[in-house]
Amino acid sequence: QKEVEQDPGPLSVPEGAIVSLNCTYSNSAFQYFMWYRQYSRKGPELLMYTYSSGNKEDGRFTAQVDKSSKYISLFIRDSQPSDSATYLCAMSENFGNEKLTFGTGTRLTIIP
Amino acid sequence: DSGVTQTPKHLITATGQRVTLRCSPRSGDLSVYWYQQSLDQGLQFLIQYYNGEERAKGNILERFSAQQFPDLHSELNLSSLELGDSALYFCASSVPSGSVSVTGELFFGEGSRLTVL
Repeated sequence: QKEVEQDPGPLSVPEGAIVSLNCTYSNSAFQYFMWYRQYSRKGPELLMYTYSSGNKEDGRFTAQVDKSSKYISLFIRDSQPSDSATYLCAMSENFGNEKLTFGTGTRLTIIP
Repeated sequence: DSGVTQTPKHLITATGQRVTLRCSPRSGDLSVYWYQQSLDQGLQFLIQYYNGEERAKGNILERFSAQQFPDLHSELNLSSLELGDSALYFCASSVPSGSVSVTGELFFGEGSRLTVL
């Protein structure tokens, strides 16, 4: 079993819809949770960063962490075609970014 | 543009061969990370260097090795290549010199796509 599980999709939704992306994990020592976005033929780029449980909002994006359930989510409101990308969750035990464990990524397409 | 430069962008080689991938981190970043991305395994951490010293090791095969040079650029050497080594290899950097905190952000290059035939 992988430490981090993520539905690979692909996921296609119409423009303007609310998108929900999720990851589950098994390592209870994970404390730092991130979402990276990867456009085709590009490297991943950090989208959201959260510590421990709770919610964090940044514009149209909201990251949620539920450590009791070992479950994290990324919500995208008012989705745009420019949001079409692969979204990877990532986690680490320690402050900083040593040995980040990534999910396999969910490929998202927003249909105009 | 993340500021991380990787060369070559594409590489096609044969089984049994050896290749070297090169990474120039963002100006001033002390840490360099190497990741392997394949369709079924996703992004797998290989190894991290900090200011020339190995800091952390992930699932890196013995056939693979890396180093970080005094000018902070890094090279990943892959030898005795097998078909299964075909993947995207990403370099990332972080931790500017003098930084007092690290938020977890890695800055990734655009990757080197290795095809082993």
